This record gives sequence, C-alpha cells and structure tokens, in this order.
Amino acid sequence: ETGVTQSPTHLIKTRGQQVTLRCSSQSGHNTVSWYQQALGQGPQFIFQYYREEENGRGNFPPRFSGLQFPNYSSELNVNALELDDSALYLCASSPRTGRTDTQYFGPGTRLTVL
Amino acid sequence: AQKITQTQPGMFVQEKEAVTLDCTYDTSDPSYGLFWYKQPSSGEMIFLIYQGSYDQQNATEGRYSLNFQKARKSANLVISASQLGDSAMYFCAMSSRNTPLVFGKGTRLSVIA
Repeated sequence: ETGVTQSPTHLIKTRGQQVTLRCSSQSGHNTVSWYQQALGQGPQFIFQYYREEENGRGNFPPRFSGLQFPNYSSELNVNALELDDSALYLCASSPRTGRTDTQYFGPGTRLTVL
Repeated sequence: AQKITQTQPGMFVQEKEAVTLDCTYDTSDPSYGLFWYKQPSSGEMIFLIYQGSYDQQNATEGRYSLNFQKARKSANLVISASQLGDSAMYFCAMSSRNTPLVFGKGTRLSVIA
C-alpha cells in the first residue's frame, strides 16, 4: 500500500448537488494531484496542489475546485453535479512538484450521479 | 501535446509465460518520464516502473522491465513469469517538465492457468 488514503470509498449524489472528496497524502509528500477516471478510460488530470497553492490544471470547468491544507491533505469539490461527473476520482501524492516525479495513488472514490 | 497510445485493448497470457504490453508516446519535450501502472478491479493505481528519457539503460523492477526505444518513441512493458495475480488493467503514462501525467487507454491483461 502507498499510504495515500481517500474518503469516502463510494458516494451517490443527484444532479445539481455538491460533493467534497478527501485525500491524505503519503508521509513526506507535499504535492497532491487529482484525476478523474471514467469507465473504460485512463485517468484524466484535474489539478495539482503544491504547498497549498494550485500548481497546474487540466481541462475541467471551474465547478471543479480544490484545497490543500498545511498537513498536505487535500479536498476536491465539485459543484452543480452532472451525470457525466460519475467516475472514479483518484488522488495521488508525490514528494516534490517535479513533473517527472513518481506519483503514488490512493484507492479512489467512486462517485455516482443520478 | 503529449499523447500515449496503447493499441492492445486486451491480452491473454499463459501462467509462467512472459508478456509484452505495447506503449508508444508522442512529445516535443526533450526531458520526460515514462511510467507503467497496474489497476486491479479494486481501482487503485499501483506504480510498477519508471523510465527517464535520459536513462541509458532500460528500467527493471523484479519481474517487470521496460523496453525503452527512444528513437521509435516506444516504452513497452515486459512481465516475465506471469502469475494469476497479474490479471488487471495496465496503463502507460508520461509526464514532462511542462505537462502533468497523461495516461493511455490501458490494456486488460488476463493470465490463464
């Protein structure tokens, strides 16, 4: 196991609601990245946080937002949920912000939007 | 833009045999990293192996080795002595100084007893 934890494991929401997903990074890692993985696809980069600041963002709308806390844990918030937001959300941590650093993933949160 | 291509949606291999999973990539960055991850049905992405673009030798980690051919822009994963527990989705990914981790669509490996 990597030491990266995510909560909750599963979540069911309805369209228009808001959701918060949580991630605790591996000890010693100060960088957290979030990914969305739709069924049958590879993960897509949402954004990265380094020392509590957003450090890169993928092609996701502003209703996807995040936070990183002083202990390097992180939250992903999604407002105005849409059916297409149903996916596995993966959090990954790495020891530095270097782009080629290995990222270690948590078990994921499976979000279902009805 | 960076792109990863995995052309094998599914592969079968006999237990104890070796298998090669294909991956080609495209980037204009001279410095990049290539990764392979394993995703069992539970969903967690498990890091397997890393190859840096300037590494002279192919990376190896236990039963995993990465066949890096820079001129052909390929980074194939070789799994030796396959085990039943190797059955999973396998993703090739790359990142560079200017771009975050980009994944391919994956290859589903099934190991047959």
